[in-house]
Amino acid sequence: DSGVTQTPKHLITATGQRVTLRCSPRSGDLSVYWYQQSLDQGLQFLIHYYNGEERAKGNILERFSAQQFPDLHSELNLSSLELGDSALYFCASSPTGGRTGELFFGEGSRLTVL
Amino acid sequence: SQQGEEDPQALSIQEGENATMNCSYKTSINNLQWYRQNSGRGLVHLILIRSNEREKHSGRLRVTLDTSKKSSSLLITASRAADTASYFCAPGHSSGGGADGLTFGKGTHLIIQP
Repeated sequence: DSGVTQTPKHLITATGQRVTLRCSPRSGDLSVYWYQQSLDQGLQFLIHYYNGEERAKGNILERFSAQQFPDLHSELNLSSLELGDSALYFCASSPTGGRTGELFFGEGSRLTVL
Repeated sequence: SQQGEEDPQALSIQEGENATMNCSYKTSINNLQWYRQNSGRGLVHLILIRSNEREKHSGRLRVTLDTSKKSSSLLITASRAADTASYFCAPGHSSGGGADGLTFGKGTHLIIQP
């Protein structure tokens, strides 16, 4: 158990809909990273928050947004969903904001868009 | 690209044999990490090797790092069925401010046959 909690574990929805994925980092970790994993694209970095502030953006679509709350949990919002958004979405946390530290991954949220 | 590239893409060996997978990267690093992912699960950190280290051991794992060749290898000795998983390397780059998340390649998919 990494200590990172993601909900929901599975989500099935229709095209055009909006969903929110939630992540609770390990106790004390200030950084939250979001990743998307699909069969064709591999594991893609989406966005990084550190202590409530956005630190870096990766391959995140404009239809997607995220935030980190004062209690350090984070939410990833996916809107106007398309079939191609079907993927595993991982959250990872780290005690630091740098790119060279160990990441602790949650078990992921599997999104299926029909 | 700042991500590591794992090779081979897939590897199938008999239980008890050793498995070796390689990682190449392109820019200077502070460290390099290896992660394991069981099917559909979150990534789990295996080992971190710093740029001033050449070899590191952890149980049945041996990691080497050659910064002159910008490459690393992960050796799993006396493989077990439970080692069946995908393995990813993640270079921790020293440039760029460090806010980006670790980037991952497509991994090496290791299958241990009983």
